Amino acid sequence: NAGVTQTPKFRILKIGQSMTLQCAQDMNHNYMYWYRQDPGMGLKLIYYSVGAGITDKGEVPNGYNVSRSTTEDFPLRLELAAPSQTSVYFCASSSEGYGYTFGSGTRLTVV
Amino acid sequence: GDSVTQMEGPVTLSEEAFLTINCTYTATGYPSLFWYVQYPGEGLQLLLKATKADDKGSNKGFEATYRKETTSFHLEKGSVQVSDSAVYFCALHDVGTNAGKSTFGDGTTLTVKP
Repeated sequence: NAGVTQTPKFRILKIGQSMTLQCAQDMNHNYMYWYRQDPGMGLKLIYYSVGAGITDKGEVPNGYNVSRSTTEDFPLRLELAAPSQTSVYFCASSSEGYGYTFGSGTRLTVV
Repeated sequence: GDSVTQMEGPVTLSEEAFLTINCTYTATGYPSLFWYVQYPGEGLQLLLKATKADDKGSNKGFEATYRKETTSFHLEKGSVQVSDSAVYFCALHDVGTNAGKSTFGDGTTLTVKP
């Protein structure tokens, strides 16, 4: 039972480059989320989805984009990477009211 | 809107000490309440939950009771171990509102010394 799988685990980007963080879940959860966690800080919601084809912005969506073409996958796209996007990114999924299952995170450094 | 306030950290305890991490909440509906734990270098894991008033969630020696009258969900453990060193997050989920999003507290860092 894989749960939520995030790839890659680590990445270094140069300023202005783009990349896609992958997230896949095998629990048939309708809800999926992307958070960022800066060092020593809590979670900030970037984007979320309530089902395939439906996405919406969270607290800090600027500089990011998402898509949800299937129930299983919820990739996060970074365009024109900036040092302020250096963070740890967590994907999570849930079934309504049952708590979140988190991935192990992607540690991104923008230099 | 919904909010969660956690006791500020960091919290440092000796092994076998009693742990309390305070959590209070504000919600418009009748939320479910959760505690998550994040070990160093890992993602968050669901530790325990309670879905209605007076419910007690428990797991791995940790407990928390849903207190509607005081809008609280304090995390307790009778005897902590070094392996409990982690960041603990309190969260609420208001079923049917907020588009399926949970509201998280800022986290409390616990360090347990031998």
